[in-house]
Amino acid sequence: DAKTTQPNSMESNEEEPVHLPCNHSTISGTDYIHWYRQLPSQGPEYVIHGLTSNVNNRMASLAIAEDRKSSTLILHRATLRDAAVYYCILRTGGGADGLTFGKGTHLIIQP
Amino acid sequence: SQTIHQWPATLVQPVGSPLSLECTVEGTSNPNLYWYRQAAGRGLQLLFYSVGIGQISSEVPQNLSASRPQDRQFILSSKKLLLSDSGFYLCAWAGTGQEKLFFGSGTQLSVL
Repeated sequence: DAKTTQPNSMESNEEEPVHLPCNHSTISGTDYIHWYRQLPSQGPEYVIHGLTSNVNNRMASLAIAEDRKSSTLILHRATLRDAAVYYCILRTGGGADGLTFGKGTHLIIQP
Repeated sequence: SQTIHQWPATLVQPVGSPLSLECTVEGTSNPNLYWYRQAAGRGLQLLFYSVGIGQISSEVPQNLSASRPQDRQFILSSKKLLLSDSGFYLCAWAGTGQEKLFFGSGTQLSVL
């Protein structure tokens, strides 16, 4: 799987939007962009994924650059429960092999 | 609905002892199954995955092995634990051809 680059940590205030960036300049045409998050002492939780178009769900939005070399996870109104490590992962569509996790972004939410 | 069960939640084992961690999935058939490990302060590392009964793919050489004796059962084993086997072990599943992985609650293993 192609590599992603994320900031080590970000800080935001409660009830404000959060934009988490991810660079993936070597993405291939069949790579989906996945986002997972992990709270302390828990397993990762699926957040959202997309291929080319922007995606929205109840948890977040995913904005994908037109050239697909970067993407942004948007939490529209952060709460303290959103404090977690967020992972941006590329995965070949339809593959059975697992996700390759990097170091992710540690999101800190200030009350 | 689908659920994944992983046990035990915590385990303390002496060096050289055997290990068996079990993971079962309910509410689906023929899932892809995965074992991950997260050492203290480090990232998640994929250890094994399986696309069917008796089919195991190993991602890294190590002191561990995996087996899938039944469609929805995935077992992680070791004959002799090492100190370096300590970590947070996570089982996950995905539907065939599906993009999302669903993780269990994990087992915190301490080898002393």
